[in-house]
Amino acid sequence: GNSVTQMEGPVTLSEEAFLTINCTYTATGYPSLFWYVQYPGEGLQLLLKATKADDKGSNKGFEATYRKETTSFHLEKGSVQVSDSAVYFCALSEWRVSGANSKLTFGKGITLSVRP
Amino acid sequence: DGGITQSPKYLFRKEGQNVTLSCEQNLNHDAMYWYRQDPGQGLRLIYYSQIVNDFQKGDIAEGYSVSREKKESFPLTVTSAQKNPTAFYLCASNGLGGYTFGSGTRLTVV
Repeated sequence: GNSVTQMEGPVTLSEEAFLTINCTYTATGYPSLFWYVQYPGEGLQLLLKATKADDKGSNKGFEATYRKETTSFHLEKGSVQVSDSAVYFCALSEWRVSGANSKLTFGKGITLSVRP
Repeated sequence: DGGITQSPKYLFRKEGQNVTLSCEQNLNHDAMYWYRQDPGQGLRLIYYSQIVNDFQKGDIAEGYSVSREKKESFPLTVTSAQKNPTAFYLCASNGLGGYTFGSGTRLTVV
């Protein structure tokens, strides 16, 4: 079956530090890959996505590249802000042959805290 | 604006009681999902529905039930058979624009 593995957390950084959050996946087909962000007490918001190998998703200074050869989708940001403090989830979704939507499979999430 | 509405935001249940969480969407999405979130465990799929009057069990369906009588609505019932129901519950839908999540319901057993 499909699975997503995220690095262990939590992560605490100072403002303007460089961020990398590792994510690797296992899938039987050709998944789409996602990063979601969850602010305290809220639901999930899509941060970025990539639908095929070598695609780069980007949003709000965050980037992630779909690496099929290493089955990875690591999240990076060059300079984090206090407002980036949240929980980050890596996820995959795989279209079935029938064309019906497949469900999202999530990693365990990682809490990022950015201090001023 | 289109979106997903979950209610209530906070819910308290006595042991042995059933409780129903509401999820309504006005996005005209066919597929809807219920996830359970526990600290350090990510999101786990409880049930999903890809069309009205049809739904499938997810990875942790025991102790839960759902219905899908209308396209817009996908309520989740947490039954007394669920051994550890205290958690944060998220509803989602999926359509051409991708997945949309509700703001969640925090259920606490007292």
